[in-house]
Amino acid sequence: TQLLEQSPQFLSIQEGENLTVYCNSSSVFSSLQWYRQEPGEGPVLLVTVVTGGEVKKLKRLTFQFGDARKDSSLHITAAQPGDTGLYLCGTDKLIFGTGTRLQVFP
Amino acid sequence: KAGVTQTPRYLIKTRGQQVTLSCSPISGHRSVSWYQQTPGQGLQFLFEYFSETQRNKGNFPGRFSGRQFSNSRSEMNVSTLELGDSALYLCASSLAVAGQETQYFGPGTRLLVL
Repeated sequence: TQLLEQSPQFLSIQEGENLTVYCNSSSVFSSLQWYRQEPGEGPVLLVTVVTGGEVKKLKRLTFQFGDARKDSSLHITAAQPGDTGLYLCGTDKLIFGTGTRLQVFP
Repeated sequence: KAGVTQTPRYLIKTRGQQVTLSCSPISGHRSVSWYQQTPGQGLQFLFEYFSETQRNKGNFPGRFSGRQFSNSRSEMNVSTLELGDSALYLCASSLAVAGQETQYFGPGTRLLVL
């Protein structure tokens, strides 16, 4: 059973655009992680959010954990080609979303 | 501190063969988890080992097995390989801090079954 739904599945945008990807669940989680994975490599941890309503910023990336700790979003401002990759959300080690594949064109 | 390492990085096998993949966790991490990643199914949990004991197991057939050694290094084995076993196999180590456990992934082993 897939407990984490990510949307959109695919996103293709031009450099400089803004975007938001979502990670939703009907379950409450104590924490949630976001990862970025580049082709042929393992996922790299970007951030962990643990508190409902929490907002964390990592340069041009803004992560938010929903008040009820059932959902999260990742917003990228002024996307760059280096942001290209598969973005995964995950909670405890058993559960990962299917990912959002982002392509940023120069 | 060195990251998670996996060997080999690439592997080509034929149907019916078996394969063993290796994972060395980050120093001090006692938990090692294994995942299978395919384009169609995403990241699927295989099993987790902690202090040489299997702590959790995903929904994979018995052909998939693993073990962990006293130094926390882990191996997974797939016997009687099938074409559908072609995938990126990822290992992740983790350390619980203040009740939170964050996983750090290795680069993966890409297995191709012909």
